[in-house]
Amino acid sequence: EPEVTQTPSHQVTQMGQEVILRCVPISNHLYFYWYRQILGQKVEFLVSFYNNEISEKSEIFDDQFSVERPDGSNFTLKIRSTKLEDSAMYFCASSVRLAGDPEYFGPGTRLLVL
Amino acid sequence: QKEVEQDPGPLSVPEGAIVSLNCTYSNSAFQYFMWYRQYSRKGPELLMYTYSSGNKEDGRFTAQVDKSSKYISLFIRDSQPSDSATYLCAMTPSGGYNKLIFGAGTRLAVHP
Repeated sequence: EPEVTQTPSHQVTQMGQEVILRCVPISNHLYFYWYRQILGQKVEFLVSFYNNEISEKSEIFDDQFSVERPDGSNFTLKIRSTKLEDSAMYFCASSVRLAGDPEYFGPGTRLLVL
Repeated sequence: QKEVEQDPGPLSVPEGAIVSLNCTYSNSAFQYFMWYRQYSRKGPELLMYTYSSGNKEDGRFTAQVDKSSKYISLFIRDSQPSDSATYLCAMTPSGGYNKLIFGAGTRLAVHP
């Protein structure tokens, strides 16, 4: 069964460093998302992406964050200058179509900023 | 008032019990409702997906939506120890780009 994959599974970085989290969405899906989950808290929406453009972003998704689909399969989240509070699980998700289609999540990348 | 409220539990039941998990919401624009299961330190796994009020059944799982009361439920019949996980409700309005709003999750433990 097709699934969303994410790499790396764990990433430890120093505050102020740049990190890139990678995702391979399900192959026929057109809509891509990033969410994050701080330990013990809710899953929170960060950004949605379609047709090589950001379609919606949350207040969390400030100028330190960017997303890109560098080729036909990968979808990346970049954090330019990490802060301690960026430590969280980051989940990539994808869906076939627009609103109403369920989103399928990847296993997540656990990011720890020291 | 939070957009989506979900009792965090934990909920502990014996194997074979019927489990009822619930969420309430305040935004009447929500039209699509999902239940995800999340094992510890893993990604959310889609369990059920519903649109509009009514019931939807899939094996041991039944999802119920009552839009008039802004209340959704997930029932698990004949619960198994492997059902032990955190259950997340999520919802999104029609139109827009599927920005899911999640509940806090209910932790369920099914003991043999």
